[in-house]
Amino acid sequence: AQTVTQSQPEMSVQEAETVTLSCTYDTSESNYYLFWYKQPPSRQMILVIRQEAYKQQNATENRFSVNFQKAAKSFSLKISDSQLGDTAMYFCAFMKHRVSSGGGADGLTFGKGTHLIIQP
Amino acid sequence: EAGVTQFPSHSVIEKGQTVTLRCDPISGHDNLYWYRRVMGKEIKFLLHFVKESKQDESGMPNNRFLAERTGGTYSTLKVQPAELEDSGVYFCASSQGQGALPTQETQYFGPGTRLLVL
Repeated sequence: AQTVTQSQPEMSVQEAETVTLSCTYDTSESNYYLFWYKQPPSRQMILVIRQEAYKQQNATENRFSVNFQKAAKSFSLKISDSQLGDTAMYFCAFMKHRVSSGGGADGLTFGKGTHLIIQP
Repeated sequence: EAGVTQFPSHSVIEKGQTVTLRCDPISGHDNLYWYRRVMGKEIKFLLHFVKESKQDESGMPNNRFLAERTGGTYSTLKVQPAELEDSGVYFCASSQGQGALPTQETQYFGPGTRLLVL
């Protein structure tokens, strides 16, 4: 079974600063995906960024980037030039990549989340 | 394109009553997932449908929970009879299907149903 650990229950930074959210995971799988999801207050959970484990290059999406260290099983999220709208719960999640036929990927394993507050 | 929708957004019921939650996935998505987040804990996987078939229901807590996806479109999750510990937020997610592209396996979430059992 997989586990995902987010060691920072809450973080607070000033607008325009850079912030890094940590995530570690434990798995015996070699082929998997890692995700960061964001859930703003009273709003829907949305995908921030996705990393395929077989890719060495770190994923980036505009101001969001990850530091994926496969050997260390670490997957941190960096938010550059933080904005007030980045205030949200951030969840790190793991998913096995099913290579055989039979339909669909497995369910996600989530961390407990980090509540990020961007201060004006 | 419409996202994943869930109904109701909130539900308050008494212990012993029955509640049915509904999820409408993104059109064309074969995979549908149910998750639950109990206060202060991680979001936990409940089960996974591929079209109308249950692929994995290993996360279902007990036999008071029944999920269906007739016709492979929307899904319902019924809790009968509800207990206090069933309170939480129930999320539904869908993904396009198994494939070589990571985008096909990425799960997109609905807004959740907040269930409170008194």
